Amino acid sequence: DIVMTQTPSSQAVSAGEKVTMSCKSSQSLLYSENKKNYLAWYQQKPGQSPKLLISWASTRESGVPDRFIGSGSGTDFTLTISSVQAEDLAVYYCEQYYDTPYTFGAGTKLELK
Amino acid sequence: EVQLVESGGGLVQPGRSMKLSCAASGFTFSNYGMAWVRQAPTKGLEWVATISYDGSSTYYRDSVKGRFTISRDNAKSTLYLQMNSLRSEDTATYYCTRALPGDWGQGVMVTVSS
Repeated sequence: DIVMTQTPSSQAVSAGEKVTMSCKSSQSLLYSENKKNYLAWYQQKPGQSPKLLISWASTRESGVPDRFIGSGSGTDFTLTISSVQAEDLAVYYCEQYYDTPYTFGAGTKLELK
Repeated sequence: EVQLVESGGGLVQPGRSMKLSCAASGFTFSNYGMAWVRQAPTKGLEWVATISYDGSSTYYRDSVKGRFTISRDNAKSTLYLQMNSLRSEDTATYYCTRALPGDWGQGVMVTVSS
């Protein structure tokens, strides 16, 4: 199974700060035939289901604010929030869909400083 | 707007069965693979099973293989998860998703306890 490791597990932030969180996979998620990374980012707020923010490591879903930026390739990926807003306080999960069993990281919880 | 509405959860005794349903709307159901993902209380996310757009291919995590069956009815735009021989470790909120990655339903709680 591909193991997804997210760091940090939690982060205290202030509104307006730039935030970065990391996701590392135990094997490459880059498929050589199409040069795509099979990595997604989700946001889950308390009491809600996860919401897809980014797929293919860096493609924002429709309606997702452009302050959410996904980057990385191979085994190392980053989600950056360029200027955190109060509504961004949530748990963020990365997920690999390169191979079954699809696996998720344990999450990074953004909290208010 | 994509809508996925799960139903069929509740309290069930260990060893018994339960069937979850997911009613889909707002997209052409028969064009998409679908999946179930679960989340135990206060825990992270765990993929359970995936089915291809036409139902011809199915995939399961090892811990549910032989006990759970994912299926679909494209005429009814509905996804199912038949869960047999339930265990306490199957206790979780079960989410229906339009492919992975994709849109998620609001989830349905399944509690396995005597």
